[in-house]
Amino acid sequence: KQEVTQIPAALSVPEGENLVLNCSFTDSAIYNLQWFRQDPGKGLTSLLLIQSSQREQTSGRLNASLDKSSGRSTLYIAASQPGDSATYLCAAISGNTPLVFGKGTRLSVIA
Amino acid sequence: EAGVTQFPSHSVIEKGQTVTLRCDPISGHDNLYWYRRVMGKEIKFLLHFVKESKQDESGMPNNRFLAERTGGTYSTLKVQPAELEDSGVYFCASSGQLPSSGNTIYFGEGSWLTVV
Repeated sequence: KQEVTQIPAALSVPEGENLVLNCSFTDSAIYNLQWFRQDPGKGLTSLLLIQSSQREQTSGRLNASLDKSSGRSTLYIAASQPGDSATYLCAAISGNTPLVFGKGTRLSVIA
Repeated sequence: EAGVTQFPSHSVIEKGQTVTLRCDPISGHDNLYWYRRVMGKEIKFLLHFVKESKQDESGMPNNRFLAERTGGTYSTLKVQPAELEDSGVYFCASSGQLPSSGNTIYFGEGSWLTVV
């Protein structure tokens, strides 16, 4: 049974700092890994999807990496801004099974 | 193009009452999913429709929950009778092809349910 863990649960950084959010999964036989953002009271916005054959994906200031052998993914945010404050969730996709989510990391970027 | 829409956005009901949540997926998406997040827990899968058929309903917590997708378009999730532990956010999501094929899954804003 796939389990996804995200560390840290919460993170507070000053504006401009680069940061890394961590995601680990127990079953390395994943197809894809997807990172989402959730703003308070809102739905989930897809940020990046990494297929198992890829090692990383980039979108603007965001870079997500995937290491299947170690069961880890990281989301790197460069030059953080107050608008980046949100909860970041990772989800593992194994075969046709539904997404398995971590509990998320709550990020606060202080101006 | 409209995204995944859910109704109602917020609902407060008394224990024992019935609530029906509705989800309209992105037009043309055959795959429709329901997920739930209760306080302090991670988002968990409830069920998956492919068109009008239930592909996987292994996440449905008990028989007080009934999901339908008539005609393979919108879906409803009914909770009857509602219990206090049903409080949480119910997310609907859709995708054109399966996420395992590298296709992004799109989520709605969620229906926030409070049972008092």
